[in-house]
Amino acid sequence: DVKVTQSSRYLVKRTGEKVFLECVQDMDHENMFWYRQDPGLGLRLIYFSYDVKMKEKGDIPEGYSVSREKKERFSLILESASTNQTSMYLCVSSFQGAGTQYFGPGTRLLVL
Amino acid sequence: ELKVEQNPLFLSMQEGKNYTIYCNYSTTSDRLYWYRQDPGKSLESLFVLLSNGAVKQEGRLMASLDTKARLSTLHITAAVHDLSATYFCASDTRGSNTGKLIFGQGTTLQVKP
Repeated sequence: DVKVTQSSRYLVKRTGEKVFLECVQDMDHENMFWYRQDPGLGLRLIYFSYDVKMKEKGDIPEGYSVSREKKERFSLILESASTNQTSMYLCVSSFQGAGTQYFGPGTRLLVL
Repeated sequence: ELKVEQNPLFLSMQEGKNYTIYCNYSTTSDRLYWYRQDPGKSLESLFVLLSNGAVKQEGRLMASLDTKARLSTLHITAAVHDLSATYFCASDTRGSNTGKLIFGQGTTLQVKP
């Protein structure tokens, strides 16, 4: 059974803090993605990675960076958290080629 | 602009009734994904449709894909309360397999006894 785990289910941070969201998958997937989900705006792609040390910007990369030092782990970094980054963050992984994408349980981040 | 649009966005229906959710997309991809999301939870994969004419069924849900019309449908047969959730469709953004998806707005389904 594929498992995608995220380091925290709920997180409360202060404006200006550096925030790390970790995602780990156990199926040797090449592809990993970070989305955020907001009411009325749907799911939007922040960053993605097709391989170790590779990263590409998604639709809304501003204010975020990512790191993929190992195949199973994809980290999302908020360099200086702001209130408009309060959101649900979803990590996704999949094999290259067609097929199912697996979502992590999500991290609800509140920035005060 | 690449778009995925779902219709309707909200659907309230009686148990036992049938209904269809429509997903129109403007990408050139021939892959279409359907997901389910329960309140406060993450997304769960329902179907992956990989070619024109593809049809997949799981229980009371059936999804189909018409790549010429750029339309996918999710048909609900004899709805039950357990199907209450938000359903998303998503399309790959270009050609085959990037995994980089554009999501529809979601259709919130409420099944009443």
